[in-house]
Amino acid sequence: DSGVTQTPKHLITATGQRVTLRCSPRSGDLSVYWYQQSLDQGLQFLIQYYNGEERAKGNILERFSAQQFPDLHSELNLSSLELGDSALYFCASSSRLGTDTQYFGPGTRLTVL
Amino acid sequence: AQKITQTQPGMFVQEKEAVTLDCTYDTSDPSYGLFWYKQPSSGEMIFLIYQGSYDQQNATEGRYSLNFQKARKSANLVISASQLGDSAMYFCAMREGTGFNKFYFGSGTKLNVKP
Repeated sequence: DSGVTQTPKHLITATGQRVTLRCSPRSGDLSVYWYQQSLDQGLQFLIQYYNGEERAKGNILERFSAQQFPDLHSELNLSSLELGDSALYFCASSSRLGTDTQYFGPGTRLTVL
Repeated sequence: AQKITQTQPGMFVQEKEAVTLDCTYDTSDPSYGLFWYKQPSSGEMIFLIYQGSYDQQNATEGRYSLNFQKARKSANLVISASQLGDSAMYFCAMREGTGFNKFYFGSGTKLNVKP
């Protein structure tokens, strides 16, 4: 158990809908990262937050947004969902600015029908 | 250009033998970190080992060691005495630079340990 929690574990929804994925980092970790893992794209970095502020952005679509709250938990919002958004979404956390090892949560499996 | 390249999509190894999973990286930043993660069929990503670009010695963690060859830009993972539970996908990753930055992952190597 990495200490990173993600909810829900599984999510099934329809195209055009909006969903929110939640992540709680390890106790004491200030950095949160979001990744998308799909079969054809591998593991793609989406976005990083540090202590509530966005710090690095990867291949995140405009339909996706994220935030980190004062209690350090983070949410990833996916809107206008498409079939291609079906993937495993991981959250990871690290203690400092990004130089430390990232520990991953169990992931949220999103299926868009 | 790919930041992380894993050229072995799949590998087989006999139980109790050692196996090397290849990883090459591409960066011009003198400061970087290299990581290996294991992803079993259950889906979670498990951190295995870390090597910093300024580390003089190869990293080791139990049965895992990282063969770091800086001039060749390679960071191969060596698993000694393979066990059936080592069957999984293995990902090499790189953090480029310091501070706020992106992480890059390779496409992974599927390791199958045969009894």
